[in-house]
Amino acid sequence: DVKVTQSSRYLVKRTGEKVFLECVQDMDHENMFWYRQDPGLGLRLIYFSYDVKMKEKGDIPEGYSVSREKKERFSLILESASTNQTSMYLCASSGPENQPQHFGDGTRLSIL
Amino acid sequence: QKEVEQDPGPLSVPEGAIVSLNCTYSNSAFQYFMWYRQYSRKGPELLMYTYSSGNKEDGRFTAQVDKSSKYISLFIRDSQPSDSATYLCAMSAIGANNLFFGTGTRLTVIP
Repeated sequence: DVKVTQSSRYLVKRTGEKVFLECVQDMDHENMFWYRQDPGLGLRLIYFSYDVKMKEKGDIPEGYSVSREKKERFSLILESASTNQTSMYLCASSGPENQPQHFGDGTRLSIL
Repeated sequence: QKEVEQDPGPLSVPEGAIVSLNCTYSNSAFQYFMWYRQYSRKGPELLMYTYSSGNKEDGRFTAQVDKSSKYISLFIRDSQPSDSATYLCAMSAIGANNLFFGTGTRLTVIP
């Protein structure tokens, strides 16, 4: 079974802090994704990566950056956290084109 | 107009009922269709994965795709309280890595 592990289930940070969310997958997948999930808005893609050191902006990249130094690890960075970034963050990975995405259990992030 | 539309519900049914969950879409390039189940405070879990039109059955679950109508469905037979979750549809075009998601339908199966 594919295992996508997100480092924290719950996280509370202060406005202005730099926040790191970590994600690791164990299936040697090329593609990795970061989403945020908000009530009524569904899943929105923040960034994705199709290879080490490669990244592409999704639908809502503003205020976020990502890092992929190793194939199995994809990090989401909130450069200066703001209250409107309070959300559920989901990481996913997938194999080559059109393979389904597999998700971690999410990080519920609160920015105070 | 969103690319994928899904009735958010909520939907409540008695145990044993047949459940029908649906999504419509506008992009005729979509060829791969998925259903995910998401329990409260967990990530989405892949339930069904189909290509192009037709039906696919897995136990109590049947996924149906009608590309001519741009309409996909998930049927759950003999629904159980453990089926209570949010169900998300997702789809992609050939050669694409990105998925387009519906907003999810929240289902409650009442014992």
